[in-house]
Amino acid sequence: KNQVEQSPQSLIILEGKNCTLQCNYTVSPFSNLRWYKQDTGRGPVSLTIMTFSENTKSNGRYTATLDADTKQSSLHITASQLSDSASYICVVSELTGGGNKLTFGTGTQLKVEL
Amino acid sequence: EAGVTQSPTHLIKTRGQQATLRCSPISGHTSVYWYQQALGLGLQFLLWYDEGEERNRGNFPPRFSGRQFPNYSSELNVNALELEDSALYLCASSLAFGQPQHFGDGTRLSIL
Repeated sequence: KNQVEQSPQSLIILEGKNCTLQCNYTVSPFSNLRWYKQDTGRGPVSLTIMTFSENTKSNGRYTATLDADTKQSSLHITASQLSDSASYICVVSELTGGGNKLTFGTGTQLKVEL
Repeated sequence: EAGVTQSPTHLIKTRGQQATLRCSPISGHTSVYWYQQALGLGLQFLLWYDEGEERNRGNFPPRFSGRQFPNYSSELNVNALELEDSALYLCASSLAFGQPQHFGDGTRLSIL
């Protein structure tokens, strides 16, 4: 069964600090991996999308890495801001022509404090 | 460009009632997806519509149904509501299957 596991489940950091969120998956065959940010009461917003051949991709202060061999991804947030407080969801897409095959992680709840 | 819009924002129902949730995709997007996000759980795939047809459905009972209209907007209907149906229901749209999905802000369904 395809699974996406994220860690930690929740995280509290001080403003200005860096943090790294982890995503391990068993989805196969792999198509791509996306990180979404979901603010409270809002829908998820895409941060990055990575395909099999991409190791690192940045979007401002967000940097995602992908190791397709070990089936692991990380999202690194640099110089955190209060507005980074949100749920970060890892989504892995299965390569198939038969339909929508996305597997969602349960997210990491990040809180940035003063 | 307007994003994915969902209505209503909140919906309160009682057990046994029926609920209708609506979604308008981004202009030009033909694929619409519905997800359920229950408290403490990840997004669970419900339904995928493309060009007016149901293309795939997740592991949900038949009382979860929907449709897509000629203008690509979509409705999700939930019949015989149960307490565990309380959740945030998210709609997403994409240009086509496999293209990035853009999410609306959801409808919060509460069952009393």
